[in-house]
Formats: sequence, C-alpha cells, structure tokens
Amino acid sequence: LAKTTQPISMDSYEGQEVNITCSHNNIATNDYITWYQQFPSQGPRFIIQGYKTKVTNEVASLFIPADRKSSTLSLPRVSLSDTAVYYCLVGDPSSNFGNEKLTFGTGTRLTIIP
Amino acid sequence: KAGVTQTPRYLIKTRGQQVTLSCSPISGHRSVSWYQQTPGQGLQFLFEYFSETQRNKGNFPGRFSGRQFSNSRSEMNVSTLELGDSALYLCASSLASGSSGETQYFGPGTRLLVL
Repeated sequence: LAKTTQPISMDSYEGQEVNITCSHNNIATNDYITWYQQFPSQGPRFIIQGYKTKVTNEVASLFIPADRKSSTLSLPRVSLSDTAVYYCLVGDPSSNFGNEKLTFGTGTRLTIIP
Repeated sequence: KAGVTQTPRYLIKTRGQQVTLSCSPISGHRSVSWYQQTPGQGLQFLFEYFSETQRNKGNFPGRFSGRQFSNSRSEMNVSTLELGDSALYLCASSLASGSSGETQYFGPGTRLLVL
C-alpha cells in the first residue's frame, strides 16, 4: 500500500477555504485517492475519491496533479462543524486482496476557529 | 438503506474477561473490516472478512479474533482482556473487494472500557 503523509494539524477561521495536502510518492497506477472525515467518537465518513485532475462534490473538491504524487482536499467556506480529523488513503478499488493491513495513519486534525 | 450498525455501543469489562462485539453491514455488502482506535495509536486495522473467510489480518495478538456469518454479519471477540484493550472498535463494510481503494462505510463504533 502506498504510504501517505499529511500535516498533523491545521487551524482555520470560519468562512475560509481550507486546503489539506497529502503526499503519496509511491502511488501505484491503479490506486485511487480517498479522503475520510472523522468526528470524535464516531466512525470515519467518506468525503471524496478521485484518480486524477479534479473531482468535486457537494462538500469538497479534490485536486490531483498530473504526477499523482500528492493530492489536496479543499473545503470551501468552512464552519465550526468541519472541525474533525481528515484521513487520506490510497488504494486500488479493483484489488481482490481486500484491506491489506490497511492503516488510516494519524490524519490531519482540523480545528475551525470562530 | 440502513447504515452499518454495531452493538453494543458501550461496554465495560474487567481484566481477564472476554467480550464479543457485533457488526451488521449495509445490505448487499460482503466485506466487513474491524478497526481499533485509541488516542495514542490512531485507527489500526484488525482484520477483514469476505464471504465468511478472513482475508486479511493486522498486527494484533491471537486474543483478537472474528468471524463472519452467511448473512455477512460479523462478530469480533477479544479474550483475556487487558487494560490496553480499552478503545473504540469500529466496523466498516464495503461492497465487494474491500480493498483500500473501495469506499468503506463505518458504523458508530463500540466503546470498550476495561477496568
């Protein structure tokens, strides 16, 4: 599995756009990039997934450069309720080997300041 | 469609006891994974089941075991509980391969406290 590196924590003010970058230098050809959000005492929740260029849904955008060695989760106009831990994962959705010792890592703890 | 459910939500046990946690995946999902989350270690993969077979296993001692039934429901058992087993245990289901690239849907977790 491709190893990912994210900042441990970030702070931002309400209403601002927040960008969280994840490095995955050894991403494989068939790997996709997936981001999850986790609130305290809850299970992680899927936010967005992409393979290349840009993906946008109702809650976030995911920017992936051509070399795919990094990705950036963009949260527009954050609010206090966006305070959570954000995890970046890479993997091949077509793999038949299941979750090979999957680890979410430490993620990025985002704190939104009023 | 109902989400992933886990029971019980909270549990208090004493050292040396054993515990069984249950997870019901989203209808139609065949892969169920279990994770342990502690403040110090983050989210750690325990094991994954697919079609009643354990397909992958993380680095946990043999005290941690699991199984999956024909309806895809899964149970996790921890024997001879230790204080360090206190954690939030999360179950996730996915449609088919359960790979790291496939979207996983998490349950609310079972918070276990070992005294």
